[in-house]
Amino acid sequence: GDSVTQMEGPVTLSEEAFLTINCTYTATGYPSLFWYVQYPGEGLQLLLKATKADDKGSNKGFEATYRKETTSFHLEKGSVQVSDSAVYFCAQGNFNKFYFGSGTKLNVKP
Amino acid sequence: SAVISQKPSRDICQRGTSLTIQCQVDSQVTMMFWYRQQPGQSLTLIATANQGSEATYESGFVIDKFPISRPNLTFSTLTVSNMSPEDSSIYLCSVRDGQNNEQFFGPGTRLTVL
Repeated sequence: GDSVTQMEGPVTLSEEAFLTINCTYTATGYPSLFWYVQYPGEGLQLLLKATKADDKGSNKGFEATYRKETTSFHLEKGSVQVSDSAVYFCAQGNFNKFYFGSGTKLNVKP
Repeated sequence: SAVISQKPSRDICQRGTSLTIQCQVDSQVTMMFWYRQQPGQSLTLIATANQGSEATYESGFVIDKFPISRPNLTFSTLTVSNMSPEDSSIYLCSVRDGQNNEQFFGPGTRLTVL
């Protein structure tokens, strides 16, 4: 069935370090792919999305590329900040249903 | 994007009681969803609430425990009935923008059951 798998956390980085959070998916169709971010005590916010193969979603210095050949949508940022500390959820969805990964907690230390 | 508000933002309840959570959207939407997020976990879909029809529940969730109302295109409620400590979770309301295939979330209701 359809699913999303993302790397377990927590991920702890120093400020200005490079971030990668891995995400892979299984899908019967051709879903859109998303990254959501959840800051402490808040709901989920859409961070970026990609709707078809080779699309790159980007926002706030984060980016992810829809890789159909490897069924992946890894999240990257070149230089993280303390304010990026949050839980990141990878998701896939189409008009019928959305599927969420288990979330990866990111801690960025000054 | 849709702006979603939820009330209450948090509550502490006694075992055996019920709590109704309200979800208000700033635009008319067809598809609304209720999720549960247990501590340190991902999101679990409870049910889909479309206006004008009965809510559709996911496996493991039943209407008697989680009755849902959807009286119009901008509002929904979820009731957590006969609560136990296992119901302690964040409950999230969500809507889907069918045109852009995006899903938006409310800020959540943090429920603690003693």
